[in-house]
Amino acid sequence: DQQVKQNSPSLSVQEGRISILNCDYTNSMFDYFLWYKKYPAEGPTFLISISSIKDKNEDGRFTVFLNKSAKHLSLHIVPSQPGDSAVYFCAAKRVNTGFQKLVFGTGTRLLVSP
Amino acid sequence: DVKVTQSSRYLVKRTGEKVFLECVQDMDHENMFWYRQDPGLGLRLIYFSYDVKMKEKGDIPEGYSVSREKKERFSLILESASTNQTSMYLCASSLGSQVGSPLHFGNGTRLTVT
Repeated sequence: DQQVKQNSPSLSVQEGRISILNCDYTNSMFDYFLWYKKYPAEGPTFLISISSIKDKNEDGRFTVFLNKSAKHLSLHIVPSQPGDSAVYFCAAKRVNTGFQKLVFGTGTRLLVSP
Repeated sequence: DVKVTQSSRYLVKRTGEKVFLECVQDMDHENMFWYRQDPGLGLRLIYFSYDVKMKEKGDIPEGYSVSREKKERFSLILESASTNQTSMYLCASSLGSQVGSPLHFGNGTRLTVT
């Protein structure tokens, strides 16, 4: 049972445009969400996170939006750059579990073309 | 900067062999994790450890065991390797149970079982 879903396996955008990566979750107990970026032959690196008490968190070109009623979050990258080409994983956890036991989505491969 | 080092980038083993995957982190993190990454399935948690000599099963522990004799080292053991354990294995660590403490990943070990 996939509790965190990324329904788009890939996304292509042009440099300078907006990239929107989507993520849905089914477990209403999740209350903290993260995005990781993964380049080939490297481990995932943390990108941005959001708590369920917020609906938006922004860090430079990256913004994460959370819609709790829809159990949906999205990552916006503006403007997109070729160096953003990578696989993006969303992840979720329940804060009161005490440990960083994250549930990951299946990933979306983003390709930003010049 | 946190460094998580996995001893091998690539491994090729035969069915039935006992396989050891080693992971070392240099930032005194309490928590350590083993994930596997497979196409279309994302990252799935195999085992994690929140202290020396402590271990907890993740979502897919069957066929695996772990060892944490020292705080900085977390080993994944495939008791009798099988072809369905061919995968990318990722080790990660995190500091305590703080909500905002992200996972830091190693670069992964690509294991092929023939």
